[in-house]
Amino acid sequence: NAGVMQNPRHLVRRRGQEARLRCSPMKGHSHVYWYRQLPEEGLKFMVYLQKENIIDESGMPKERFSAEFPKEGPSILRIQQVVRGDSAAYFCASSPFRGDEQYFGPGTRLTVT
Amino acid sequence: QKEVEQNSGPLSVPEGAIASLNCTYSDRGSQSFFWYRQYSGKSPELIMSIYSNGDKEDGRFTAQLNKASQYVSLLIRDSQPSDSATYLCAVNPGGGADGLTFGKGTHLIIQP
Repeated sequence: NAGVMQNPRHLVRRRGQEARLRCSPMKGHSHVYWYRQLPEEGLKFMVYLQKENIIDESGMPKERFSAEFPKEGPSILRIQQVVRGDSAAYFCASSPFRGDEQYFGPGTRLTVT
Repeated sequence: QKEVEQNSGPLSVPEGAIASLNCTYSDRGSQSFFWYRQYSGKSPELIMSIYSNGDKEDGRFTAQLNKASQYVSLLIRDSQPSDSATYLCAVNPGGGADGLTFGKGTHLIIQP
């Protein structure tokens, strides 16, 4: 299956811990996007990355959140010192070209206890 | 603030009928438009993309775009119970912005 892969699918963290979410784009795609879906709310864009570069992070919270897409390996969304309000589904999408159709991975459901 | 508006529903349609889903957007400079389907607890699945005014057909689905009215729609012909889901309208505003702006979705129920 050459689809977008995300892991873990479910992640439970206690308040104050760190969460690391991983995303491998579809084969041939070099553009990665992260979105967050809070309960009963719509999908919100967080960050757009290409290999080794953050292109647009206008949707990222200013503190505790960071993202990277290294030359080798998956894209990582990192949330430091998690709080209950971080509980959400985090989706990664990829596209072959900038501005093209985006294909979503299965998501990571983060629960903060 | 760039917004995408959808009627949240639920929209109930009998099996075999045409389901019509609508979406309006606020940013007149928006470049590209997408419809996604999302089943409960699952990730969004791309159904259609449309970039220019008019209609675009793919199987039972037709997307319609009217940039002057800032309006996008999705028609589903011969609706099936498996079409019951939340349909998300998404807009790429262009102008250097790359993240999609999503509406909150319309919950569609196809009645057998």
